[in-house]
Amino acid sequence: NAGVTQTPKFQVLKTGQSMTLQCAQDMNHEYMSWYRQDPGMGLRLIHYSVGAGITDQGEVPNGYNVSRSTTEDFPLRLLSAAPSQTSVYFCASSYGAYEKLFFGSGTQLSVL
Amino acid sequence: DAKTTQPTSMDCAEGRAANLPCNHSTISGNEYVYWYRQIHSQGPQYIIHGLKNNETNEMASLIITEDRKSSTLILPHATLRDTAVYYCIVRGANDYKLSFGAGTTVTVRA
Repeated sequence: NAGVTQTPKFQVLKTGQSMTLQCAQDMNHEYMSWYRQDPGMGLRLIHYSVGAGITDQGEVPNGYNVSRSTTEDFPLRLLSAAPSQTSVYFCASSYGAYEKLFFGSGTQLSVL
Repeated sequence: DAKTTQPTSMDCAEGRAANLPCNHSTISGNEYVYWYRQIHSQGPQYIIHGLKNNETNEMASLIITEDRKSSTLILPHATLRDTAVYYCIVRGANDYKLSFGAGTTVTVRA
């Protein structure tokens, strides 16, 4: 099993550009989520999904869109990148709310 | 509002037990206590979780007080590779909006 796979590992964008961070899991997990982590801080929830077709906002959703068309994939879209979105992004998944989270290795994003 | 309170940092000697405290005084009856750790800039890694009873696995032990208002994660024989940020999380059945606070930065010294 590959677990949770995130691509790309590194990305540099210019202000105003758009891009999609990819997240895929092969564990048939219903719950998936996206976090951002700024230097020296904990992880803040951006968006989450409890199953295909179902998404909801987390703590810091502004500037990000998500969709969940399949159980396996949960992409995060930045429509118009801003320097404030420079961060490390982690995707996570679990069977359900009580279950342990599995995290991807992260995407380091810089917006210039 | 933060559901847990952890010390900002702590040091531990290699080979000794590391005891990491966590306060969760507002925990409700159906909420579990989870511990994760994050080494360098890797994705957080699950360590252990529990509801009421003490739990032990190959990585650590979790001691939860009888009133469930606090818990302690015990790394029985800390190694240099245990240097990481440790997060204590309280999570309920429908608690999908899970965020991680700053955690405790644990430094294991030789």
